[in-house]
Amino acid sequence: RKEVEQDPGPFNVPEGATVAFNCTYSNSASQSFFWYRQDCRKEPKLLMSVYSSGNEDGRFTAQLNRASQYISLLIRDSKLSDSATYLCVVNNPGGFKTIFGAGTRLFVKA
Amino acid sequence: NAGVMQNPRHLVRRRGQEARLRCSPVKGHSHVYWYRQLPEEGLKFMVYLQKENIIDESGMPKERFSAEFPKEGPSILRIQQVVRGDSAAYFCASSPDRPGELFFGEGSRLTVL
Repeated sequence: RKEVEQDPGPFNVPEGATVAFNCTYSNSASQSFFWYRQDCRKEPKLLMSVYSSGNEDGRFTAQLNRASQYISLLIRDSKLSDSATYLCVVNNPGGFKTIFGAGTRLFVKA
Repeated sequence: NAGVMQNPRHLVRRRGQEARLRCSPVKGHSHVYWYRQLPEEGLKFMVYLQKENIIDESGMPKERFSAEFPKEGPSILRIQQVVRGDSAAYFCASSPDRPGELFFGEGSRLTVL
């Protein structure tokens, strides 16, 4: 079983739509969680951290469910510029080994 | 305010040659990571280093691959006797003392002919 699993998509949505991605992780002792974004042939960039209580950053909302070992990312009012691959990221115990999921592709169309 | 610098950006090698990829972390960052990404695939963890120490190399192939982060100078990922399957993008990232918050370089794209 992969340490971090994501639905690869692609998700094709119209502008203005709301879209949600889930991610599951296998190590129940994982300590911290993040979403990154990667544009085609570019480097990944940190989108947001994921906190136990859930957190929001503008149109983006991240949630963590430790009991079920999944993380979600909700994007509201999708923009064309949101088209990218979204990477779920988990830090294992000890803190510094950072594992990336394979990513979920999002295409937002006009 | 330089970010993570990787070079070369593109490297072409013939089978059997050596590839050396360099990474200078963000100033003040003491944690360096190397990841490999094959086309249409995700980032695969290779190694995590701090200055002069390899902390976790569980993702590194046992043979031909090595990494270092010397006291002075950039981190180096070295691939000896390259094979076609080594063709990939190699990303370096650095982190301050905040686990999971990685700053990536633009990657080095290795092509093995």
